[in-house]
Amino acid sequence: GAVVSQHPSWVICKSGTSVKIECRSLDFQATTMFWYRQFPKQSLMLMATSNEGSKATYEQGVEKDKFLINHASLTLSTLTVTSAHPEDSSFYICSARDVNRYNEQFFGPGTRLTVL
Amino acid sequence: GQNIDQPTEMTATEGAIVQINCTYQTSGFNGLFWYQQHAGEAPTFLSYNVLDGLEEKGRFSSFLSRSKGYSYLLLKELQMKDSASYLCAVLFSGTYKYIFGTGTRLKVLA
Repeated sequence: GAVVSQHPSWVICKSGTSVKIECRSLDFQATTMFWYRQFPKQSLMLMATSNEGSKATYEQGVEKDKFLINHASLTLSTLTVTSAHPEDSSFYICSARDVNRYNEQFFGPGTRLTVL
Repeated sequence: GQNIDQPTEMTATEGAIVQINCTYQTSGFNGLFWYQQHAGEAPTFLSYNVLDGLEEKGRFSSFLSRSKGYSYLLLKELQMKDSASYLCAVLFSGTYKYIFGTGTRLKVLA
C-alpha cells in the first residue's frame, strides 16, 4: 500500500513550452501533496504544498506563476512548468501524505525534465 | 531560520559501521525522518524519530536528541548496495511539510 505514481517519468521539451507533471496516490487518499525539485548531487528542495480543493502554498523564492499547481481531487495533483527554460531542467519529485498513516510522506518515482 | 546540516560525503568499507550525523536548527519540530536515495530514484523511508533515544530496525538505527538538535543514522554490516545518498528531513508541526537536510553521499568500498 501507499503507492504514489508520477507521469511522465521523463520529458524533453523546447524552451518556451509548458510541461505538465502528474502525481497520483494509487491506493490512498491524499489531502496534502508536496512538490520538490532536486538538482544533481543536491538534496530535495521543497517547492510547494498542494492542498486538495485550495490554493497551493509556495516556499519562499518559488514563482507561483511559473510553477502552477492544481490539486483537484484527493488522488491527483499536477505541476505545470510554464514557459520552461534550460535552468528549469531538474528532477521533480512529488510526495503524498496519507492522513491515516501518521506523518509520513510517500514519494513518487520522480520526473526528469530536460529543457533544450 | 531552518538549517539542517549533514556531511556532504562519507566513505566506508564493506562490513563496517558508519554513522551519518544530522544537526538542525528549526522551530515547530515534530519529528525527524531518514531516507535513502539512489541516484535518479525517489527517496525510500528508513526511520522516524519523534522522541529522544534510539530506534533500531535491522541493520539501521536512528538516534534523536531534541535538546541538542541532533540525530544520527547508524548503518551496520555495510553492504555495497548501501552506497547511496542519505537524507534527514525535519517534520514541522502544523504544516506537515518536510525540510530536507543537505544530504550525505555514502560510498561503500569493497
